[in-house]
Amino acid sequence: GENVEQHPSTLSVQEGDSAVIKCTYSDSASNYFPWYKQELGKRPQLIIDIRSNVGEKKDQRIAVTLNKTAKHFSLHITETQPEDSAVYFCAASGRYSTLTFGKGTMLLVSP
Amino acid sequence: NAGVTQTPKFQVLKTGQSMTLQCAQDMNHNSMYWYRQDPGMGLRLIYYSASEGTTDKGEVPNGYNVSRLNKREFSLRLESAAPSQTSVYFCASTTGTTQDEQYFGPGTRLTVT
Repeated sequence: GENVEQHPSTLSVQEGDSAVIKCTYSDSASNYFPWYKQELGKRPQLIIDIRSNVGEKKDQRIAVTLNKTAKHFSLHITETQPEDSAVYFCAASGRYSTLTFGKGTMLLVSP
Repeated sequence: NAGVTQTPKFQVLKTGQSMTLQCAQDMNHNSMYWYRQDPGMGLRLIYYSASEGTTDKGEVPNGYNVSRLNKREFSLRLESAAPSQTSVYFCASTTGTTQDEQYFGPGTRLTVT
């Protein structure tokens, strides 16, 4: 089955810095790669996603890049703010829209 | 629209007890999923239902059963709870079209003593 590796497991940055989280996947048939943000005690919420026919997607301070040849994709957050502090999960799609998740990255943005 | 709802929010069971977690969605989605979330492990798929009338195993199905009651509802049953099933359980749904967002419920925090 699909295997998704996510790094780093924790990331501390100063407010205003950029943050980058990287994921790799194993199944070349995967064609949809969402990123979820989860605040403590809350449900995961989609923040951005990318489909296999696109190399990069941007939404304000958040961007995602995909390299299908290398089977890796990354989340970039610019001008980080304290409210960006949360756990971020990458995922890769499988059969019947199932998702395989990475183990998560705890992002801490210090004022 | 309420989106995806789950009951109960919290539950404490003793080893060997049984219970059913309920999930419902009002978005007319075809596909529904059950995940468990453990510290440091991300979310792992337990079972899913690609469409009404079908269910299939995910990555960690042992100790669980599911029922797709109708298009709206998808329940998860623990027949004989074990401490290893202490976790947060999330239900999710999507249209079923590939490359579409999964919407998550608020979760059920289950403790098995």
